[in-house]
Amino acid sequence: RKEVEQDPGPFNVPEGATVAFNCTYSNSASQSFFWYRQDCRKEPKLLMSVYSSGNEDGRFTAQLNRASQYISLLIRDSKLSDSATYLCVVNSGTYKYIFGTGTRLKVLA
Amino acid sequence: NAGVMQNPRHLVRRRGQEARLRCSPMKGHSHVYWYRQLPEEGLKFMVYLQKENIIDESGMPKERFSAEFPKEGPSILRIQQVVRGDSAAYFCASSSGQRDEQYFGPGTRLTVT
Repeated sequence: RKEVEQDPGPFNVPEGATVAFNCTYSNSASQSFFWYRQDCRKEPKLLMSVYSSGNEDGRFTAQLNRASQYISLLIRDSKLSDSATYLCVVNSGTYKYIFGTGTRLKVLA
Repeated sequence: NAGVMQNPRHLVRRRGQEARLRCSPMKGHSHVYWYRQLPEEGLKFMVYLQKENIIDESGMPKERFSAEFPKEGPSILRIQQVVRGDSAAYFCASSSGQRDEQYFGPGTRLTVT
């Protein structure tokens, strides 16, 4: 089993739709969780950290479920500019950051 | 406040030459990570450094690849005697602590001809 798993997609959604991605992790001792977005041929950009209490930033909501060992990202009112690959990143509590292979999102006009 | 800086952004080398990639972390960050990404693939960890120390180089090939983060100046990823298979995007990231958010530089795209 991979340490961090994501559905590669692509998720094709119309503008204005709500879309959710999940990411599962295998190490129950994992301590920090992040979502990044990566556009084609660009560097990953930090979207948000994921806290135990969940967090929201505008149209984006991230949640952590420690019992089931997954994190989620919800995007409301999708925009064309949200089209990208979304990377789930898990830190085991040391210096190791484990990256998922990403979920591709295409928002269609 | 400048972010993570990498140069060059594009580098073309012939087989057998050396490639030297530079990374300046964000101000105040002392943790540097190097990653490699092939087209349509995920990020692969190569090496983790703190100032003057290599902490973990388990993701780096034992031969031809080396990394350093001197007391003064940028972190350097060096690839000697490059081969076509070294062609990839190399990203550097920095963080202020071991469990904190990482911030990425724009990457260096290496092409070996």
